[in-house]
Amino acid sequence: AQSVTQPDIHITVSEGASLELRCNYSYGATPYLFWYVQSPGQGLQLLLKYFSGDTLVQGIKGFEAEFKRSQSSFNLRKPSVHWSDAAEYFCAVGAKTSYDKVIFGPGTSLSVIP
Amino acid sequence: DAGVIQSPRHEVTEMGQEVTLRCKPISGHDYLFWYRQTMMRGLELLIYFNNNVPIDDSGMPEDRFSAKMPNASFSTLKIQPSEPRDSAVYFCASSPRGRKETQYFGPGTRLLVL
Repeated sequence: AQSVTQPDIHITVSEGASLELRCNYSYGATPYLFWYVQSPGQGLQLLLKYFSGDTLVQGIKGFEAEFKRSQSSFNLRKPSVHWSDAAEYFCAVGAKTSYDKVIFGPGTSLSVIP
Repeated sequence: DAGVIQSPRHEVTEMGQEVTLRCKPISGHDYLFWYRQTMMRGLELLIYFNNNVPIDDSGMPEDRFSAKMPNASFSTLKIQPSEPRDSAVYFCASSPRGRKETQYFGPGTRLLVL
């Protein structure tokens, strides 16, 4: 069965510092992988997605993520965090078959110190 | 192009009352999803539709919950009778044909059942 773990419940970084949010998944084949961001009181917004090909994926707002098959990971990175990046971040895994659901991780809450 | 539209944005009701949540998906999208988000359980898929037909409702908590999609541009999630444990944020999402896993979320309806 598919599963997603995000080991860090909450992370605090200083503005301008680099960021890495961890995501590990469990799936029997190469999955589809996603990162979403949820600002307070808002819905989830898709940051980036990986389907196949280049394992380094660029997304919106300066984010990128790298798929590492050997580690079953899809970590999200940003070289320089802005105060507006404070939000909840969700990693998700979906299957290539039409009958499988997208499974969301528990989320990582990011706080940014000015 | 407008995103997914949900109404109402906030709903406060008393236990035992009927609650109806509404969703308008992105025009041209074939899939529609209803999710529930709580602190304890995270983001849970309740039900999803493909071309207005319910495909998987295994996430619907119990018979008090029902969802309909009478046409491609409208869906409802109804709770009757409502209970305090139904208090949560309910999200609607839609995705395009051939890309079920790439979901676009609405802003959510925050439901409080007293």
